[in-house]
Amino acid sequence: DVRLVQSGAEVKKPGDSLRISCKTSGYTFTSWWIGWVRQRPGKGLEWMGNIYPGDSDTRYSPSFQGQVTISADKSSTTAYLQWNSLKASDTAMYYCVRPVGVYESHIHYISRFDLWGQGTLVNVSS
Amino acid sequence: QSALTQPASVSGSPGQSITISCTGTTTYVGRYSFVSWYQQRPGEAPKLIFSGDNKRPSGISDRFSGSKSGDTASLTISGLQAEDEATYFCCLGAGSDTIFGAGTKLTVL
Repeated sequence: DVRLVQSGAEVKKPGDSLRISCKTSGYTFTSWWIGWVRQRPGKGLEWMGNIYPGDSDTRYSPSFQGQVTISADKSSTTAYLQWNSLKASDTAMYYCVRPVGVYESHIHYISRFDLWGQGTLVNVSS
Repeated sequence: QSALTQPASVSGSPGQSITISCTGTTTYVGRYSFVSWYQQRPGEAPKLIFSGDNKRPSGISDRFSGSKSGDTASLTISGLQAEDEATYFCCLGAGSDTIFGAGTKLTVL
């Protein structure tokens, strides 16, 4: 059974650091991209970035470049999303996703997100 | 940055068909194989229901179908059922970025 299981909800203060996780199972971790999608309360979905655990190639949305760090641990087949200094505006549900993509003219295009984790709620408040 | 435009809401009665549109620039939505659709019921994670390259995932009803005309991709749901009430998001893989529409809330009357 292919699964993405995320870590539990977090309550943090502005300026805190945080790392949330996504434990994968049921497929070859190093052969698929894995990524993160943000959903602020009552709002839509925003793609944050992906990592390819096989070679650690990491791509970020321009909106999130420099704001978060995506990483992956091959030994535990787990992906991570990390903040060094949280803001109130980071309050959101974060979903771990498995992107399926293709390369055309050396550019990687995502055609679909075929698996989603259950979500991790991050609440940042003073 | 490109944007994808969806209607905020649509509604239909059980048994009817509805279509949700997703409009962007021709340069992007023209790459139909990179368009996908997601269903999100309240309190749940989104779920892939249709993609331009691989159509319907296993387990998704054939009442869900997708199409494209010009710079608009569309999701059609036929034979509406109460369980279809949810928010539907389109998504486009655009190379350096991947963009979601703002979502369309479907109400089954």
